[in-house]
Amino acid sequence: GENVEQHPSTLSVQEGDSAVIKCTYSDSASNYFPWYKQELGKRPQLIIDIRSNVGEKKDQRIAVTLNKTAKHFSLHITETQPEDSAVYFCAASGGGGSYIPTFGRGTSLIVHP
Amino acid sequence: ETGVTQTPRHLVMGMTNKKSLKCEQHLGHNAMYWYKQSAKKPLELMFVYNFKEQTENNSVPSRFSPECPNSSHLFLHLHTLQPEDSALYLCASSQDWAGGSSYNEQFFGPGTRLTVL
Repeated sequence: GENVEQHPSTLSVQEGDSAVIKCTYSDSASNYFPWYKQELGKRPQLIIDIRSNVGEKKDQRIAVTLNKTAKHFSLHITETQPEDSAVYFCAASGGGGSYIPTFGRGTSLIVHP
Repeated sequence: ETGVTQTPRHLVMGMTNKKSLKCEQHLGHNAMYWYKQSAKKPLELMFVYNFKEQTENNSVPSRFSPECPNSSHLFLHLHTLQPEDSALYLCASSQDWAGGSSYNEQFFGPGTRLTVL
């Protein structure tokens, strides 16, 4: 089955800095890579996703890149703000025809004002 | 109410109690999931139902018993739990493969915070 590794487990930045979270996956047939944000005490929610036919996708201050050859994808947050503080989960699905996502272990992002 | 709802939001139970968690989705999805979220294993998939049929049981102990009477409702029946079962239990729903795509966003409920004494 699919295996998703996520790094780092904790990331601390100053407000205004950029933050990068990286994930690798094992199943080359996976074709959908969503990112979820979970604020303290709240439910995970999708913030951005990318499909395997695209190398990069941007939405305001967040962007995701995908390298299919290397089987890794990354979340980039620019001009971080305190409200970006949360746990971020990457996921991969589509391998073996499965719609069930495999999640990474999460990254706790702390943005210091 | 829209989206995915869960009740109760908090539950404290003894090891000999029997309780049930309820999840309801109003999104017209066909797939529903139970996840366990704890500090040690942040998002641990427990069960998956697709069109009311269980398609995934991720080696979950039998003290957790799921039930899916229809595509909108999902239950998790609990009995003889252990203190290490204390965690946040998240329900989620999505479209499934039969919907023609694996590009399926998961919609999560708010979770039930379970404490086993």
